[in-house]
Amino acid sequence: DIQMTQSPSSVSASVGDRVTITCRASEGISIWLAWYQQKPGKAPNLLIYAASRLQSGVPSRFSGSGSGTDFTLTISRLQPEDFATYYCQQAKSFPYTFGQGTKLDIK
Amino acid sequence: EVQLVQSGAEMKKPGESLKISCKGSGYDFSNYWIGWVRQLPGKGLEWMGIIYPDDSDTSYSPSFQGQVTISADKSINTAYLQWSSLKASDTAMFLCARLEYQTNSGWFVGSWGQGTLVTVSP
Repeated sequence: DIQMTQSPSSVSASVGDRVTITCRASEGISIWLAWYQQKPGKAPNLLIYAASRLQSGVPSRFSGSGSGTDFTLTISRLQPEDFATYYCQQAKSFPYTFGQGTKLDIK
Repeated sequence: EVQLVQSGAEMKKPGESLKISCKGSGYDFSNYWIGWVRQLPGKGLEWMGIIYPDDSDTSYSPSFQGQVTISADKSINTAYLQWSSLKASDTAMFLCARLEYQTNSGWFVGSWGQGTLVTVSP
């Protein structure tokens, strides 16, 4: 299985801050990577696919980059509704493993 | 509108059997892979397995092979996840997910069920 490692595991930030989360794959996955946001008690929500393509309806303050083994999710100006847990997921081969998650909370 | 609606929360005892469901609507259910994802309390997301409803082609993650059974009935647009003998360690939220594939994008989840909480306790 392809292993996905996110960092940091948690991060504290303030409204208006810029936050970057990284995700590393154990082998090359080209741009076959997705990012999700999950709030407590809710199903995840797709933010980005193909490493950098914004899902319809997702605010443009979210952006993704990377290819091969190293990827980033950036939130440019944090809004109150962005405080949640974020997961990367490799989209290359089953099982489509997720990273362990990054919890973003309010400083 | 694509919707996946899961069956309600369950409270079971160790050793009991259970089958939970995920009903799709708003799209051609037979021709999209459906997956099941486990989320242990306070933990991350784990793929359990996937099924293609049209022919019931199924793949399981190694950790879940032999532990659960995934099935589907395309005539009623419903996928299932079942256990023959539950353990306390099966206590978790279970999410169904519709997989989407795009060339140069791979496989990702565009739609999720709302989740089914399964609690296994003596």
